[in-house]
Amino acid sequence: NAGVMQNPRHLVRRRGQEARLRCSPMKGHSHVYWYRQLPEEGLKFMVYLQKENIIDESGMPKERFSAEFPKEGPSILRIQQVVRGDSAAYFCASSPPGQGFQAFFGQGTRLTVV
Amino acid sequence: GEDVEQSLFLSVREGDSSVINCTYTDSSSTYLYWYKQEPGAGLQLLTYIFSNMDMKQDQRLTVLLNKKDKHLSLRIADTQTGDSAIYFCAEKWGSQGNLIFGKGTKLSVKP
Repeated sequence: NAGVMQNPRHLVRRRGQEARLRCSPMKGHSHVYWYRQLPEEGLKFMVYLQKENIIDESGMPKERFSAEFPKEGPSILRIQQVVRGDSAAYFCASSPPGQGFQAFFGQGTRLTVV
Repeated sequence: GEDVEQSLFLSVREGDSSVINCTYTDSSSTYLYWYKQEPGAGLQLLTYIFSNMDMKQDQRLTVLLNKKDKHLSLRIADTQTGDSAIYFCAEKWGSQGNLIFGKGTKLSVKP
């Protein structure tokens, strides 16, 4: 059973471009969480999704950021018109239904905006 | 409030015990966690404790929870150089939902 898979591991974007970050949860996990880690900081919650539903997006910036978790395929975190302040590590975690207390994290995507 | 507080640095000698402390502010937290992050890597779940427990032991790791003081600690016995990493304390409210993380404690183990 592969762990939570995130790709790409590293992503470089110029200011104004779009960034797409992908997360494939562990097999059997239907809950996905996205977190952002700024340098020298802890992880900050962004969004919690179940298949085809956004459950909690209270940590998402109001503009330029969106997330989805379709019925088929990975969860996508999309950042439009990136700015330097978006440079961070973005982590995805997944948990199985009914056992949300156990969240397993991916290796993260390190986004650098130049 | 949503602040989980940890000291930023801890340095120990190989073979000594390490104790990493954390305070949280929400008494309704149901689960508390310790994660380990090595440089450039993701977060590895080390252990967790349910809020109705006082202590949990798993090999070299001992977690102590003081709900009255909202204090959580992680003790690593016989610390090794491979234990050098950043350790994050986190809390969760309810059985689903997100985790609230501290800023992490950087543990340095000197030979």
